Amino acid sequence: EAQVTQNPRYLITVTGKKLTVTCSQNMNHEYMSWYRQDPGLGLRQIYYSMNVEVTDKGDVPEGYKVSRKEKRNFPLILESPSPNQTSLYFCASSSRDSTSYEQYFGPGTRLTVT
Amino acid sequence: AQSVSQHNHHVILSEAASLELGCNYSYGGTVNLFWYVQYPGQHLQLLLKYFSGDPLVKGIKGFEAEFIKSKFSFNLRKPSVQWSDTAEYFCAVKDTGRRALTFGSGTRLQVQP
Repeated sequence: EAQVTQNPRYLITVTGKKLTVTCSQNMNHEYMSWYRQDPGLGLRQIYYSMNVEVTDKGDVPEGYKVSRKEKRNFPLILESPSPNQTSLYFCASSSRDSTSYEQYFGPGTRLTVT
Repeated sequence: AQSVSQHNHHVILSEAASLELGCNYSYGGTVNLFWYVQYPGQHLQLLLKYFSGDPLVKGIKGFEAEFIKSKFSFNLRKPSVQWSDTAEYFCAVKDTGRRALTFGSGTRLQVQP
């Protein structure tokens, strides 16, 4: 089954404690991205990756890092989480095929930073 | 920078009522347009998309949307909603120069039985 998986699904942590949210896709997609969803703001892109070892900032990259060492994985790293990063995070992937651009979303990770 | 506006933040309808959710975008160039749905506790799923051609697009579950270029709009419609349509709906735009989608703030639809 084609899917995007994220772990963990729920996470409560404290300010300053480094954490990583994993994302993996099994569709051999080149493009992957991270979004955060906040009430009244919709989804905003944090970082994206066009392919292995190619990453770039989205609209709200501050406080986040990413890496793309393998095609299937795109972890999101919060080196020093703060309460304003409490949010619902989605990973997404899509193929490079521009004639059928559709992003497949993971189930989401709800993060609470106290 | 492009933006997407969804003016209806919360819509409450009775079953069998007709639905129309508004979506306007600001980008003046060529765009691809999408509607995504997020059922309670679930991830986003694609409802329908417009790339080119017929401006009336049909999607899954009886939804359709009409692209009106002169109005920069891509409104979502359904003739008769069901309780199972209760969800949050997001309009999204992709311009040809960017890979990312720009999402609207979402419309929460509540369908009462």
